[in-house]
Amino acid sequence: AQSVTQLDSHVSVSEGTPVLLRCNYSSSYSPSLFWYVQHPNKGLQLLLKYTSAATLVKGINGFEAEFKKSETSFHLTKPSAHMSDAAEYFCVVSGPYNNNDMRFGAGTRLTVKP
Amino acid sequence: DVKVTQSSRYLVKRTGEKVFLECVQDMDHENMFWYRQDPGLGLRLIYFSYDVKMKEKGDIPEGYSVSREKKERFSLILESASTNQTSMYLCASSRPGTYSYEQYFGPGTRLTVT
Repeated sequence: AQSVTQLDSHVSVSEGTPVLLRCNYSSSYSPSLFWYVQHPNKGLQLLLKYTSAATLVKGINGFEAEFKKSETSFHLTKPSAHMSDAAEYFCVVSGPYNNNDMRFGAGTRLTVKP
Repeated sequence: DVKVTQSSRYLVKRTGEKVFLECVQDMDHENMFWYRQDPGLGLRLIYFSYDVKMKEKGDIPEGYSVSREKKERFSLILESASTNQTSMYLCASSRPGTYSYEQYFGPGTRLTVT
């Protein structure tokens, strides 16, 4: 069975500094991986997804993630944090046969200080 | 613009009441899902449906049932609400097929059972 582990439950950065949200996955096949963002009292919005094409994936709002098979990681990064990035972020793995079995990480809450 | 809507943003019910949570999508998606979200646990799948009148249990179906009479509508039913069902409930929909397809989420219903 596949699973993801988000290594930090809370990350705090200053505005204008880089963001790194860490995610490790476990899977016995080549998975699809996603990052979703959830702003307060809102549903989840897709940031980006990896589906076995390019290992460096670019998403919305300047976020990107790199799939590293050797490290079983899919960390989310952004060069410069903005106040509007404050939210909860979920790493998700999908598969093996269809997208009915998506496994969510516990979430990382990102705080951005002015 | 794709849309998943949920009937209520906030709901307060009493223990033992029957509760209906409604979800509607306008994307003609075959798959629909109900999750509950609790702090530190991420999202956990309650039920999903891959066609009208078809359903499958997720990880935590106990105490819940679902109904899908029309393709665009998926209802979650709490037969007899209990305080441990106080949570955020998220509905999602997706195209069927490979595990590279993302799910689209509604804004969520925050249910409090007193």
